[in-house]
Amino acid sequence: SQQGEEDPQALSIQEGENATMNCSYKTSINNLQWYRQNSGRGLVHLILIRSNEREKHSGRLRVTLDTSKKSSSLLITASRAADTASYFCATDPSGNTPLVFGKGTRLSVIA
Amino acid sequence: DTAVSQTPKYLVTQMGNDKSIKCEQNLGHDTMYWYKQDSKKFLKIMFSYNNKELIINETVPNRFSPKSPDKAHLNLHINSLELGDSAVYFCASSRDYSGGAETQYFGPGTRLLVL
Repeated sequence: SQQGEEDPQALSIQEGENATMNCSYKTSINNLQWYRQNSGRGLVHLILIRSNEREKHSGRLRVTLDTSKKSSSLLITASRAADTASYFCATDPSGNTPLVFGKGTRLSVIA
Repeated sequence: DTAVSQTPKYLVTQMGNDKSIKCEQNLGHDTMYWYKQDSKKFLKIMFSYNNKELIINETVPNRFSPKSPDKAHLNLHINSLELGDSAVYFCASSRDYSGGAETQYFGPGTRLLVL
């Protein structure tokens, strides 16, 4: 069964605005990753956050993790048209298990 | 110098046919994966190999058979194709297998359409 659920399913914003996507999961995790998928392409890794971390930054990306609420958020600041893509969270539900991906949030950044 | 490559990029075939998709990675990784992404963008793992050995085999029909001739290659053979097999198939690799602790590098995908 699916572990991660992204919210919203789709998001449309103007260039320069911030975009926030959320991921909720059901069981305890060791790690949570965020990936981006441009239309017609493979997934590209953005950031990994471990269960003992609360926040990580990478350029214009900020990821938070709240293990008590079993949720994570991805914030993209000062969005650009090139950020238009689907964003997926992926979790490892327990131990040495494979990543389980959510269905993604489709982000459209309008120039 | 593509890191993870797949061939073919597009595959259109008739129901009942047998087809193969090839994957190669030049990253020196030990672990490779096959994923299926359906029309609703849901990405589900099918198989994983670590150093040519099968370590993950999710509930996949046995019409799907992966083969890893060496740790840089993981091919997927599909027998007796069905309409429901239509999807995008992604190959991925990671440095080793540590569950969710490793970054995965994805290929560009193979778009399979079964008519």
